[in-house]
Amino acid sequence: DQQVKQNSPSLSVQEGRISILNCDYTNSMFDYFLWYKKYPAEGPTFLISISSIKDKNEDGRFTVFLNKSAKHLSLHIVPSQPGDSAVYFCAASLSGANNLFFGTGTRLTVIP
Amino acid sequence: GAVVSQHPSWVICKSGTSVKIECRSLDFQATTMFWYRQFPKQSLMLMATSNEGSKATYEQGVEKDKFLINHASLTLSTLTVTSAHPEDSSFYICSARANRGQPQHFGDGTRLSIL
Repeated sequence: DQQVKQNSPSLSVQEGRISILNCDYTNSMFDYFLWYKKYPAEGPTFLISISSIKDKNEDGRFTVFLNKSAKHLSLHIVPSQPGDSAVYFCAASLSGANNLFFGTGTRLTVIP
Repeated sequence: GAVVSQHPSWVICKSGTSVKIECRSLDFQATTMFWYRQFPKQSLMLMATSNEGSKATYEQGVEKDKFLINHASLTLSTLTVTSAHPEDSSFYICSARANRGQPQHFGDGTRLSIL
């Protein structure tokens, strides 16, 4: 059973515009959420995280929003750059547990 | 910072061979390392968690005698796939974490192909 879902397998955005990547989860006990970026033939690279006590966390061009009531989080990238083209994974975990539950990823293509 | 190196990146070997994969945290000490497996078009699935100096904790359905994990130091964990068979062919990836509550940092993975 997939506890973390990314329903959009792909997304294309024009350079300079905003990219919004979405993620839904089913387990209301998750309290720590992360976004990773993955290039081909490389491992996932940590981007940004958010704890369930917050609803927003910002780091440069990347902002993660958490809506606990909707069990939804999103990653906003603005402005989008061609180098942002990659597969983005969201992940969730329970405090005190080691397991990270990953979504299946969304391939972002930023068009120059 | 937070670089994790995984070696080798690609292995092809005959059925029955044992294969060792190394995972190193290069610029931080990892109290916990994780081993994942990924099948095509599926998300990463945790196989086992290892803490330095203690036995690994395996997820349900993962054979500990098949997938031997050693975490001998704060910067090195190894996964040995013993007597590998074609069904063990997969993408194996490790991650390392400095402390609980901090993000996991991933290696680049190992593509294992058993003929």
